[in-house]
Amino acid sequence: SQKIEQNSEALNIQEGKTATLTCNYTNYSPAYLQWYRQDPGRGPVFLLLIRENEKEKRKERLKVTFDTTLKQSLFHITASQPADSATYLCALYYSGYSTLTFGKGTMLLVSP
Amino acid sequence: NAGVTQTPKFQVLKTGQSMTLQCAQDMNHEYMSWYRQDPGMGLRLIHYSVGAGITDQGEVPNGYNVSRSTTEDFPLRLLSAAPSQTSVYFCASSYARESTEAFFGQGTRLTVV
Repeated sequence: SQKIEQNSEALNIQEGKTATLTCNYTNYSPAYLQWYRQDPGRGPVFLLLIRENEKEKRKERLKVTFDTTLKQSLFHITASQPADSATYLCALYYSGYSTLTFGKGTMLLVSP
Repeated sequence: NAGVTQTPKFQVLKTGQSMTLQCAQDMNHEYMSWYRQDPGMGLRLIHYSVGAGITDQGEVPNGYNVSRSTTEDFPLRLLSAAPSQTSVYFCASSYARESTEAFFGQGTRLTVV
């Protein structure tokens, strides 16, 4: 079965720095990969989607890369702010299936 | 726009009791799904539906039933609650099977004692 790995340890960074979160997967590459943000006590909120034939996607301060050779996606938040503190989830979608498979998420803590 | 609405937000059940978690969306989405989220386990798919009248099992379906009689509603039934079903439950919807994004409800925190 497909395995998705996100760093289980919280990532602590200072305000203004770039946060980089990692999502690794095993076996075959998904049709697309998504990143979500989840705040305590709330449901996940969609941030970005990147397809298997795309190398990079940007949205404001967010950037996602997708390397099918390394079987890895990187999620960057530039000029991070304390309001960016949350848990970030990656999710993979495979053609032929009807479901998103989520990683366990990485908590990001941005200190002032 | 309400989006995805889940009720109740909190629930305590006794072992063996049954209940239904409600989920409704007002975006005319075809695809709906139920997840449970446990510490250290991430989101795990329970059941999903690709349209009215069509449902299928996910990763952890045992102990749960679903039905999809309308596009808007996708209730999750716990048949005989067990302490192992203590979790936070999320309902999600998306426009189609292969969609750009999933919209999640606020979650239902269920405790089975």
